Amino acid sequence: DTAVSQTPKYLVTQMGNDKSIKCEQNLGHDTMYWYKQDSKKFLKIMFSYNNKELIINETVPNRFSPKSPDKAHLNLHINSLELGDSAVYFCASSQELASSDTQYFGPGTRLTVL
Amino acid sequence: DQQVKQNSPSLSVQEGRISILNCDYTNSMFDYFLWYKKYPAEGPTFLISISSIKDKNEDGRFTVFLNKSAKHLSLHIVPSQPGDSAVYFCAASSTSGTYKYIFGTGTRLKVLA
Repeated sequence: DTAVSQTPKYLVTQMGNDKSIKCEQNLGHDTMYWYKQDSKKFLKIMFSYNNKELIINETVPNRFSPKSPDKAHLNLHINSLELGDSAVYFCASSQELASSDTQYFGPGTRLTVL
Repeated sequence: DQQVKQNSPSLSVQEGRISILNCDYTNSMFDYFLWYKKYPAEGPTFLISISSIKDKNEDGRFTVFLNKSAKHLSLHIVPSQPGDSAVYFCAASSTSGTYKYIFGTGTRLKVLA
């Protein structure tokens, strides 16, 4: 049983397209996150949601819009894709919204924008 | 502004010896620290954590040491095994309210058989 799963694992698309990445966790956690790992390997938080409510939005362009239909899902929609959006995107979840709460990561989605 | 730094991008160690991975931070508000391990094509996996009220935490072969005055933490793996070969990320957070981890850029550990 995969605790945090993401689809797709790989995504190759053209500049200007719109794409979505889906994330689901079956851990019963209240909090979910999106991270971006760029070419320099920095792993940076983009968003966090707690009980479907947006908590953290880290100066991410408006082209990125997270959506949490329920506590177990946090999807990431990206409009008008740019070359600089190429990265690995990780979803994560934690039991609650606490800085000392362990976060569990999904396997990542490698996005390549051509 | 890189608040968490792992200055060694890579490290090679013989099987059975000690691996020491280092991490420095600049933000004095950080009071909780974690180490994650990452294999290729997988997500980071939690390894061990430490609160700033402690200076050491041990879990099996893994020990994390925290030196608050130096703003430095280290992960010791003893004895190192080939399966420990992975990228190790340290992360820091402040429990006084930002609810997020700040990650270092990782150290690639290779344990030679």
